[in-house]
Amino acid sequence: DQQVKQNSPSLSVQEGRISILNCDYTNSMFDYFLWYKKYPAEGPTFLISISSIKDKNEDGRFTVFLNKSAKHLSLHIVPSQPGDSAVYFCAASEAGRSNTGKLIFGQGTTLQVKP
Amino acid sequence: ETGVTQSPTHLIKTRGQQVTLRCSSQSGHNTVSWYQQALGQGPQFIFQYYREEENGRGNFPPRFSGLQFPNYSSELNVNALELDDSALYLCASGTGGIAGELFFGEGSRLTVL
Repeated sequence: DQQVKQNSPSLSVQEGRISILNCDYTNSMFDYFLWYKKYPAEGPTFLISISSIKDKNEDGRFTVFLNKSAKHLSLHIVPSQPGDSAVYFCAASEAGRSNTGKLIFGQGTTLQVKP
Repeated sequence: ETGVTQSPTHLIKTRGQQVTLRCSSQSGHNTVSWYQQALGQGPQFIFQYYREEENGRGNFPPRFSGLQFPNYSSELNVNALELDDSALYLCASGTGGIAGELFFGEGSRLTVL
């Protein structure tokens, strides 16, 4: 039962263009969503998050959009840089459980930004 | 650099053996969570410890157990290893606040033969 799904295993984008990574979820109890980035031989690092009371959160080149009715969120990276090449994980936590450290992760999308 | 360190980085065990993985968290972080990441998959939540007590558990059998110590270190123990336990094991520490504020270590890669 995959509650958080990233249906695109990989994405290739030209440097300077926009990267859009997508994520779908099934559990309506999720109220907090996060994106993590992972380089090879390193642990995931927190990138950006969004609460279910918002539909957009922006941090520099990174913007996360949340569509609750569609149970869909996306991460936009503009402009994309070669250093953004990594595996991106979408994650979610259930309402009232955000302090348990329990995150439900998607399978990840490997982003390659070509110079 | 997250300030979370794990050891060992790689290890090989045989089926039926027991393994202990270690994690050193950031000072001041009073929660530690453990995740299992199989090849090609996202991390799966095993359990979390808060102030040395288990505080939330995922869908893992009792042969997965843990300890958290007052000095910001913790352990993950797995008994009766099975081939499917081969994975990257990630430790994450936090302050007990919003789940997103987790700091992950580099992981311990376990291979069970």
